Amino acid sequence: QLQLQESGPGLVKPSETLSLTCTVSGGSISSSSYYWGWIRQPPGKGLEWIGSIFYSGTTYYNPTLKSRVTISADTSKNQFSLKLRSVTAADTAVYYCARRSSNYFDYWGQGTLVTVSS
Amino acid sequence: SYELTQPPSVSVSPGQTASITCSGEKLGTKYASWYQQKPGHSPVLVIYQDSKRPSGIPERFSGSNSGNTATLTISGTQAMDEADYYCQAWDSSIAYVVFGGGTKLTVL
Repeated sequence: QLQLQESGPGLVKPSETLSLTCTVSGGSISSSSYYWGWIRQPPGKGLEWIGSIFYSGTTYYNPTLKSRVTISADTSKNQFSLKLRSVTAADTAVYYCARRSSNYFDYWGQGTLVTVSS
Repeated sequence: SYELTQPPSVSVSPGQTASITCSGEKLGTKYASWYQQKPGHSPVLVIYQDSKRPSGIPERFSGSNSGNTATLTISGTQAMDEADYYCQAWDSSIAYVVFGGGTKLTVL
């Protein structure tokens, strides 16, 4: 059974960089059949796609966040990561990693709350 | 940018049919997916590629997509179906994933 687990600091200061890692078990991120992505959800609000990475390293980003986001992968560790620069309070959210199969997300991590505050 | 619009809330009586809509320009030309999210939990895929049900999802969940509207239908709604529901589409022209704003389904 595929499992995804987010990890990283739960508190980030304004203007700094948010860094999260998603560790995948029960499957390989090197598979050519899937994309691996990040989605976030501010408290009490809806889901927002941040971006995805393909096994080849090709990345796709939400245009509204593209200037601040980098998604990368470490196939040796079966992990992929998110970096979001210059964060503000508006970036406070639960961050989910998920597997995208073509055009839908079929496996999700449990999510991790990241608060931006000094 | 592409946008998907959902009603903020839908109410249904137990045993009745609930319909949740998702509107977007030419949505019928894209694949729509639906997710159920209960408080404090991650979203769960309930419908993908317009009308397919993942393994383990009850048959009372069904979907359709045509024109500018995708619809999630829950037949014989149960109390356990009370949750937030999100639609999602993939815009292949710009490799962009978009979610609807979500609909809170209340079973009362």
